Amino acid sequence: KQEVTQIPAALSVPEGENLVLNCSFTDSAIYNLQWFRQDPGKGLTSLLLIQSSQREQTSGRLNASLDKSSGRSTLYIAASQPGDSATYLCAVYAAGNQFYFGTGTSLTVIP
Amino acid sequence: DTAVSQTPKYLVTQMGNDKSIKCEQNLGHDTMYWYKQDSKKFLKIMFSYNNKELIINETVPNRFSPKSPDKAHLNLHINSLELGDSAVYFCASSQDPTGVQETQYFGPGTRLLVL
Repeated sequence: KQEVTQIPAALSVPEGENLVLNCSFTDSAIYNLQWFRQDPGKGLTSLLLIQSSQREQTSGRLNASLDKSSGRSTLYIAASQPGDSATYLCAVYAAGNQFYFGTGTSLTVIP
Repeated sequence: DTAVSQTPKYLVTQMGNDKSIKCEQNLGHDTMYWYKQDSKKFLKIMFSYNNKELIINETVPNRFSPKSPDKAHLNLHINSLELGDSAVYFCASSQDPTGVQETQYFGPGTRLLVL
């Protein structure tokens, strides 16, 4: 059964730093991987979607990579801002119409 | 404009009661989902409907019954609520029922607390 793990569980950085969030999954037979942002009291916002045939996707200050063979993905956030503070979730979509979410990384960017 | 909306946003109720959570999407999507997020932030899919037909039914108690009157709505009815049902429930929708080509759009969540 697919298991998705995110490390670290929590991260606190000063404003302006570049940072990397990690996501690992146990079964490489996935269709795609997504990174989401969750703000307190709000729903999930999709940040980046990487198809299984792709290696990376970029959106603004965000860059997500995917190494399907090793079961890893990273979300790189450049020049972090206080507004980036949120919980970041990765999710893989696999056979059987199944989405598997990680437990998230809680990010705090200190002004 | 709200793409995926859920009501109520907060729900506090007694154990044993029956309650419903409503979800509506105005994106014209064919597929809708219900997820449960527990206290450890773990999100797990519960149900998925495509054009009003059930396509995913995870191992959830049969006290949970989804109802899709049309493809823009997927409501979640819960009978005989238990303490362990306390969680945040998220509704989502996507155009592609396989989820391969595009992302899902999530609602704001319904925070259920069973006392």
